[in-house]
This record gives sequence, C-alpha cells and structure tokens, in this order.
Amino acid sequence: RKEVEQDPGPFNVPEGATVAFNCTYSNSASQSFFWYRQDCRKEPKLLMSVYSSGNEDGRFTAQLNRASQYISLLIRDSKLSDSATYLCVVGSDTGNQFYFGTGTSLTVIP
Amino acid sequence: AAGVIQSPRHLIKEKRETATLKCYPIPRHDTVYWYQQGPGQDPQFLISFYEKMQSDKGSIPDRFSAQQFSDYHSELNMSSLELGDSALYFCASSSGLGEYYEQYFGPGTRLTVT
Repeated sequence: RKEVEQDPGPFNVPEGATVAFNCTYSNSASQSFFWYRQDCRKEPKLLMSVYSSGNEDGRFTAQLNRASQYISLLIRDSKLSDSATYLCVVGSDTGNQFYFGTGTSLTVIP
Repeated sequence: AAGVIQSPRHLIKEKRETATLKCYPIPRHDTVYWYQQGPGQDPQFLISFYEKMQSDKGSIPDRFSAQQFSDYHSELNMSSLELGDSALYFCASSSGLGEYYEQYFGPGTRLTVT
C-alpha cells in the first residue's frame, strides 16, 4: 500500500467552480502535510503547509482530519491558471522523508 | 528571491555512461533532498543530506551516489546508466531537517539515456 494516495482525476471544472481534492495517508504518526502544485514538466511549487486542523490562503483551504487520516484541498472560484497537478505530500514520523501522492490533475475550463 | 539552482537542465547520455547532477540550495538552507520523477509518476525520494551528512536514504540504486559539500551544494553521481534512469531529477532544499521544514524545489534536470 502506498504511503499517500490521491484520486488522480482528471477533474475538469468550469471557471468559478469550487473543487475539492482528498488525499489519504497510511502512517498515523505523520505530523506534517503539504500541498504542492506542479505544472507540466516543471518543478513542484509549495502551495500550502497544513498544520493542526487546517489552513486557509485566499481561495485555497486545506483541512486535516487525523482521525480518518486524510487531507483535503478546496479551491474556490477556480481560475484558468489553477489548471495543474496537485500533489499531496506527507512527512514521515521520523521527519527525514517526505512521501508524495501521485497527484490530482485539474483542468479549469473557460 | 533566490531559488534552488540545478545544473545541467538537460542531459543526454548513453547506456553505461556516467552522469553528475548538481544542486545549489537556497542560501542558508542546510538540507538537500534528491527526487526522481519518471513520466506520469510522482517524485520518488532518493536521498537527503543535512549539514553535509547523509540523513536518509530512499529508493536510490547502488549505482548512484551523492554528497553534500562544505558550501552546501550537492551532487548526484550516476554510473552505469540504464534506459530506465531517464527521468526528471529534482533537488529540493529546506532550512532545516525535520518534517515541519518546507521543501523548495529546483527546476530539475531532465536526463535522457539512449
């Protein structure tokens, strides 16, 4: 079983829509969680770090549910520029390794 | 702001050749991670360094080795290259070792083995 699992999508949504992605992790001792976005053939860029129960940054909200071991990312008022692959990243309990999900592909349609 | 620098950006090698990838972390970052990302795959952790010492090892083949130098830059040495080594190799740096330190990725080196 992979350490981090994500629905690969693709998610195709119209501009202005709200979309949510979920990510589950297997190690209950993990303490750090991140969302990155990756554009085609480019490096992953940090979108949000998720601490305690969640985090909000403008149109983006990340939530953490430790009991169910999942993290979610909510994007409100989707823009064309939000089209990308969103990677869920979970730190190991030792803190020295980070595990990536396979990414969720989002396309925002005009 | 300065970002992670990787060189070269593109590299083409033949089977059984060697390759060296370089990574220059963000200034004052002392921790470096190497990842391999194959087509349509998520980044796979290879190896990490903290303060010039190896801190953790992932799925790095024995044919690969890496080190971090006194100026904190890191090099990934790859020998006896195989076709399956063709991938995007990312380096990431952080300002400390541990799960709460955010990683910042470089633009990657695209390695093609023919």
